[in-house]
Amino acid sequence: DVKVTQSSRYLVKRTGEKVFLECVQDMDHENMFWYRQDPGLGLRLIYFSYDVKMKEKGDIPEGYSVSREKKERFSLILESASTNQTSMYLCAVTSGQGAGELFFGEGSRLTVL
Amino acid sequence: AQKITQTQPGMFVQEKEAVTLDCTYDTSDPSYGLFWYKQPSSGEMIFLIYQGSYDQQNATEGRYSLNFQKARKSANLVISASQLGDSAMYFCAMRAVYNFNKFYFGSGTKLNVKP
Repeated sequence: DVKVTQSSRYLVKRTGEKVFLECVQDMDHENMFWYRQDPGLGLRLIYFSYDVKMKEKGDIPEGYSVSREKKERFSLILESASTNQTSMYLCAVTSGQGAGELFFGEGSRLTVL
Repeated sequence: AQKITQTQPGMFVQEKEAVTLDCTYDTSDPSYGLFWYKQPSSGEMIFLIYQGSYDQQNATEGRYSLNFQKARKSANLVISASQLGDSAMYFCAMRAVYNFNKFYFGSGTKLNVKP
């Protein structure tokens, strides 16, 4: 199974700060995702990438951008953090083969004050 | 429209008993996959089990089995012989086979296993 590592488990930032969340996989899978998880809302897709420098918007891309310069690394960027972006952020990877299940990182819990 | 519904926000089960977590789905796709994930308090989502819409038999993985009823559009997770370590959030998810980048998640069920 692929190992997915997220750079920070817990972050506290101030409104207006630029925030970087990094995700690294140890395989060669093309497909990487950033989800946001809020109580009662399940997981909502922010962005996904199907190859280096390739990205597509998910369901809630507003206020976020992403970067994928190398195949193993997918970064989520909050250009100017706001309090309504306080949430759990989950990175996921899939090979797209077989069942195509998602493999998740441990999550990054972001608090914006 | 694709939708996953988990109607049980929270459940309790006695240790060593079996428990069923409900999941219903709505899709117009002819071919799709159904997934269950476990999320302990640590935060990581752990893949448990998969069922393809054309699979003839219900999927099983150790103590986990998926009760798939296609006509009813339900994909309930059954955990046999519950253990204290099963206490977690459980999420049902669906994906169309032809669109492997688009997953739909339910809102989750919080399972508490009592000693």
